[in-house]
Amino acid sequence: GNSVTQMEGPVTLSEEAFLTINCTYTATGYPSLFWYVQYPGEGLQLLLKATKADDKGSNKGFEATYRKETTSFHLEKGSVQVSDSAVYFCALASGGSYIPTFGRGTSLIVHP
Amino acid sequence: NAGVTQTPKFQVLKTGQSMTLQCAQDMNHNSMYWYRQDPGMGLRLIYYSASEGTTDKGEVPNGYNVSRLNKREFSLRLESAAPSQTSVYFCASSENGQGAHGYTFGSGTRLTVV
Repeated sequence: GNSVTQMEGPVTLSEEAFLTINCTYTATGYPSLFWYVQYPGEGLQLLLKATKADDKGSNKGFEATYRKETTSFHLEKGSVQVSDSAVYFCALASGGSYIPTFGRGTSLIVHP
Repeated sequence: NAGVTQTPKFQVLKTGQSMTLQCAQDMNHNSMYWYRQDPGMGLRLIYYSASEGTTDKGEVPNGYNVSRLNKREFSLRLESAAPSQTSVYFCASSENGQGAHGYTFGSGTRLTVV
């Protein structure tokens, strides 16, 4: 079956540091890949997505590239802010399945 | 604002009581989902509805029932609440089950069973 594995947190960084959150997946077919962000007390919000190999999704300074050869979709940001503190979820949707697959989530804490 | 609306936002139940969590979306999405989120467990799928008129069990359906009332609304019912059902519940929807355009989540219902 499909699965998503993301690095365990919390990830703790100082403001303006570089961020990488690793995500790898297993899936049948050619899945669409997503990163969601959850701020405290809120629901998940779509951050970015990529629907085919080598696509790069980007939003709010965050980027992730769909790497089919390494089955990865790592999230990066060049300079994090305190306001980026949240939980980040990697997810996939695979053609033929109505059920999305989510990773466990990675907590990011950014200190001033 | 367009999106997924969940009610109530907070609820405290006594063991054995019943309640229904409501979810409505106004994006004309076909597929809808109910998840629970517990510390350290990530999101776990309770039930989903691929399209109006269909519902299917997810990973953790025991103790819950659902109704896809129409295309907009998908409710989750706890018939006899137990402390193990204390959790944050999220409803989500997608244009179609394959979710190529992503999933839209509600803001959650925080349920405590005492």
